[in-house]
Amino acid sequence: ETGVTQSPTHLIKTRGQQVTLRCSSQSGHNTVSWYQQALGQGPQFIFQYYREEENGRGNFPPRFSGLQFPNYSSELNVNALELDDSALYLCASSLVYNEQFFGPGTRLTVL
Amino acid sequence: GENVEQHPSTLSVQEGDSAVIKCTYSDSASNYFPWYKQELGKGPQLIIDIRSNVGEKKDQRIAVTLNKTAKHFSLHITETQPEDSAVYFCAASIKDSGAGSYQLTFGKGTKLSVIP
Repeated sequence: ETGVTQSPTHLIKTRGQQVTLRCSSQSGHNTVSWYQQALGQGPQFIFQYYREEENGRGNFPPRFSGLQFPNYSSELNVNALELDDSALYLCASSLVYNEQFFGPGTRLTVL
Repeated sequence: GENVEQHPSTLSVQEGDSAVIKCTYSDSASNYFPWYKQELGKGPQLIIDIRSNVGEKKDQRIAVTLNKTAKHFSLHITETQPEDSAVYFCAASIKDSGAGSYQLTFGKGTKLSVIP
């Protein structure tokens, strides 16, 4: 059984660009949540996907969007990148209302 | 929305001593409280969690206590070892009647250093 994987590991973009981050959930997990972790801070909830539908959203603007695919993998898309978007982006997978397991994250740097 | 406060932000202990990290939360509806350990360059790893229908839970050297009246919960690590050195995060969430899973609100973290 493989754990949660994320790609890419690191990414450098410039302001105004768009980025797509990918997450493969742990086998059998049908829920994926995305979190943003700024340096020295705790993770902040961005949104969650359950059965390919958005199921809750944190305090993030619409330029943060996502998808979940039939195999439960997921994408996070960020448009019009800003300097403050520089962070570690984490995805976590779980069964319904069960423990969440995090991937290693994607480190995004916006210049 | 939920707000989680975590103290202390840094903690140094001698190997073999105990470490205690405390968190408070604001939303009385919260009913799930996990603790995560994050090592440098890695994602958070769940170490223990507690649900609101119990007051204490233990797993070997790790224990968590919950006081719902006071809205605070604590992580206790006994017989600390150098490999316990990491950043620890508490979190809180609500399990409602809908589908999906917990939407965690995290504290700001505690950097634990265990001195050999």
